[in-house]
Amino acid sequence: LAKTTQPISMDSYEGQEVNITCSHNNIATNDYITWYQQFPSQGPRFIIQGYKTKVTNEVASLFIPADRKSSTLSLPRVSLSDTAVYYCLVGGAYSGGGADGLTFGKGTHLIIQP
Amino acid sequence: DTEVTQTPKHLVMGMTNKKSLKCEQHMGHRAMYWYKQKAKKPPELMFVYSYEKLSINESVPSRFSPECPNSSLLNLHLHALQPEDSALYLCASSPPWAPYEQYFGPGTRLTVT
Repeated sequence: LAKTTQPISMDSYEGQEVNITCSHNNIATNDYITWYQQFPSQGPRFIIQGYKTKVTNEVASLFIPADRKSSTLSLPRVSLSDTAVYYCLVGGAYSGGGADGLTFGKGTHLIIQP
Repeated sequence: DTEVTQTPKHLVMGMTNKKSLKCEQHMGHRAMYWYKQKAKKPPELMFVYSYEKLSINESVPSRFSPECPNSSLLNLHLHALQPEDSALYLCASSPPWAPYEQYFGPGTRLTVT
């Protein structure tokens, strides 16, 4: 599994755009990049997944450069409710290899202030 | 229905007790997972079931015994636990071909006294 590196914590303010970068230098050809969000005492929630370039959904955007050695989760116009831990994971999705457990890193604790 | 349910929400048990945690999903997912999460730490994988068969056991002590009676249900049987086993126990499910798109339940907060 490719190791990921994220900032331990970040602060921002309501209404701002927040970008969280994840480094994954050893990403394999078949690996996808997936982000999860977790609020205290709740299970993680799948946010977004991508392989290359840009993916956007109703919650976030994911930017992946051509070398795929890093990725950036972008949260537009954050609110207080976006305060959570965000995990970046890298691994083989859709590989036909069957079920696989997730290996979570330490994640990024994002704190949004009024 | 994109929900994974877990019961009970909270559980307090003594070290000599036997209890079970239950997880249920009706999304047709054929992969189900148990994770353990200690306070301020990331979730740690315990077990993976694929098509109702145990496929991954992350060297979990035998006092934790998983069971997958059918494609919708996942149980975790607990026996002779230690206080250090107190944690949030999370269940998740996914299509087996998309293991990184997991849907998590709210967890069971377990306290071992």
